[in-house]
Amino acid sequence: GQQVMQIPQYQHVQEGEDFTTYCNSSTTLSNIQWYKQRPGGHPVFLIQLVKSGEVKKQKRLTFQFGEAKKNSSLHITATQTTDVGTYFCAENNAGNMLTFGGGTRLMVKP
Amino acid sequence: DTEVTQTPKHLVMGMTNKKSLKCEQHMGHRAMYWYKQKAKKPPELMFVYSYEKLSINESVPSRFSPECPNSSLLNLHLHALQPEDSALYLCASSPTQGTTEAFFGQGTRLTVV
Repeated sequence: GQQVMQIPQYQHVQEGEDFTTYCNSSTTLSNIQWYKQRPGGHPVFLIQLVKSGEVKKQKRLTFQFGEAKKNSSLHITATQTTDVGTYFCAENNAGNMLTFGGGTRLMVKP
Repeated sequence: DTEVTQTPKHLVMGMTNKKSLKCEQHMGHRAMYWYKQKAKKPPELMFVYSYEKLSINESVPSRFSPECPNSSLLNLHLHALQPEDSALYLCASSPTQGTTEAFFGQGTRLTVV
């Protein structure tokens, strides 16, 4: 079945450094959603990208959808300790079945 | 009210017990979901209800039995579970099946002993 691969699995950064996580698919994605899950918490929706080449920004977060709609990235500028958590990409395919990538766990050293 | 409420938050049960997980939302959403999440893994879809009817069952063992009594409530009945079923069980809802974001509850952390 459809698999969304996400890298890296873990990332340690110093507070103030940038961070990027990448999702890749071997087939064309209908859309891509991004979720954040804090330690001990639940996934919280961040954004959905639908169009080829789409770029959306939320404060220090920049989301991109590839031109071929086979990859996506989330970039955080100048990380803060509040950014700690696991970031998941997910394809919302037919029937609102969310297929999640493996997640990238971000740790920020103050 | 933009919350999905799950109870209980924690549950420890024996392999012969019967228990139920409950989920409630008052956002008027007509699609509700159960996901299972093991430690350090992504959520995995178990069931989808659309307009109170089961629309997707992702080959889940029969020891998990979902129920949707009305458009605001979703239950997951548990019976004869195995220790490997220990996980975080997440409920989610969305306006309708096939739309945008999913709203997740805080989950029930289940331990089977």
